[in-house]
Amino acid sequence: AQSVTQLDSQVPVFEEAPVELRCNYSSSVSVYLFWYVQYPNQGLQLLLKYLSGSTLVKGINGFEAEFNKSQTSFHLRKPSVHISDTAEYFCAVRSTGAQKLVFGQGTRLTINP
Amino acid sequence: EAGVTQFPSHSVIEKGQTVTLRCDPISGHDNLYWYRRVMGKEIKFLLHFVKESKQDESGMPNNRFLAERTGGTYSTLKVQPAELEDSGVYFCASSDRGGYTEAFFGQGTRLTVV
Repeated sequence: AQSVTQLDSQVPVFEEAPVELRCNYSSSVSVYLFWYVQYPNQGLQLLLKYLSGSTLVKGINGFEAEFNKSQTSFHLRKPSVHISDTAEYFCAVRSTGAQKLVFGQGTRLTINP
Repeated sequence: EAGVTQFPSHSVIEKGQTVTLRCDPISGHDNLYWYRRVMGKEIKFLLHFVKESKQDESGMPNNRFLAERTGGTYSTLKVQPAELEDSGVYFCASSDRGGYTEAFFGQGTRLTVV
């Protein structure tokens, strides 16, 4: 079984500041890792994913995440945020032998001008 | 190309009533998933269809929930009778075949049971 912990339920930052949203996971088997974003009144959209290869993954809208196997983490970062990044962000894992996603509790990112 | 579509977007029903949620996946996607997010908690897996067959229904909370996928196209999720704790946002997702494929999500149906 897998579990995902997003360490911050809310993260307020100022516009153009850097941000890191933290995600740790637990799994006894190999996993794929994902970050999804939910903008207000919209569905979930994939930001980026780690399947294999380079541990630094780049996604849409300037986001990137780094897979750290020893620390079982997959933190999401952006060097400079914009008002439009205001959303809820979800970290998720999926075992390589299964299809269902296991999500964290979500982190609400609020950008202040 | 149309994305995953869910109907209705919102539903408010009384305890004991029946509600049916519908999901239209992306055309050609064999895999269809239902997830649910209860207020303030994580999004949880309910079940997975491959075409019209239930591949994994380990997340279905109880027998008041019935999911179907007629002809391997759209899917319905019926809650009968609804209870207060069924309130939440129900998400549908679909994906193509293959282990590396991405799941595309719908906008969700917000269900409120009063």
